[in-house]
Amino acid sequence: DAGVIQSPRHEVTEMGQEVTLRCKPISGHNSLFWYRQTMMRGLELLIYFNNNVPIDDSGMPEDRFSAKMPNASFSTLKIQPSEPRDSAVYFCASISTGDYGYTFGSGTRLTVV
Amino acid sequence: DQQVKQNSPSLSVQEGRISILNCDYTNSMFDYFLWYKKYPAEGPTFLISISSIKDKNEDGRFTVFLNKSAKHLSLHIVPSQPGDSAVYFCAARGGYNTDKLIFGTGTRLQVFP
Repeated sequence: DAGVIQSPRHEVTEMGQEVTLRCKPISGHNSLFWYRQTMMRGLELLIYFNNNVPIDDSGMPEDRFSAKMPNASFSTLKIQPSEPRDSAVYFCASISTGDYGYTFGSGTRLTVV
Repeated sequence: DQQVKQNSPSLSVQEGRISILNCDYTNSMFDYFLWYKKYPAEGPTFLISISSIKDKNEDGRFTVFLNKSAKHLSLHIVPSQPGDSAVYFCAARGGYNTDKLIFGTGTRLQVFP
C-alpha cells in the first residue's frame, strides 16, 4: 500500500488566491481527517469524514475554509481567499473504524505571502 | 481550550539515558491515548498506545504510563538513542464512539551522544 498520499508537498501562493490541497486515503479506510500543524497549537483537527460524510467540522477556522470528500478515495481542502496566517503544514490522515492509530500523509507545507 | 497539553516544548537527553515525555489532559471521557513520533518533513507515525482501563503498556524501549486520577500520561524511552530525536505528540481519543483524536502541541526530543 502506498499510504496516505497528499499533494502538493509544497505550495507558495499570494494572499487572496485560492488554494486546494488534495488527499488520497489508504484503500479500505473509511474515516479521513484534515489537521493543521502550527507551533502554537500543535496538531489541530480541522474536519473529519466518515464514509465520505462530514462528521465534525468544528475545527474549520472560518468560512474561507471548505472540505469535500466526493468519494472514498479522494478529499480536498480548499482555502479561498488565502491569508498569510493560513501558512502552516496541513496533514491528511485516515483510519478504519475500530482501529486506533491514524496513518498520516507527508503533509502539504503552505506558505501564503 | 487545549484538552491535551504537553507543557515541555523541548527535552534534551544524553544517549543511553532515559527520556521522559509528559502529557496532561482535561477530559475524563477520553478512552484511549496514543503517542506519535514525527521527523522533519514527514507525517507523524504511530508509536505506542494505551487504553484508559490500563495503567501501563510496554513495547521494547518504549513504555507509556497512565495515571487517570491525575489525568496524566508519560512516555518513557530507555535507553535513548540518537535516532529517537524527533517531535513527540500525545493524543487522546474522544470516546468509544468516535475516531477523533485530540493532539497536544508536541515535545521536541533531542538525544545527543
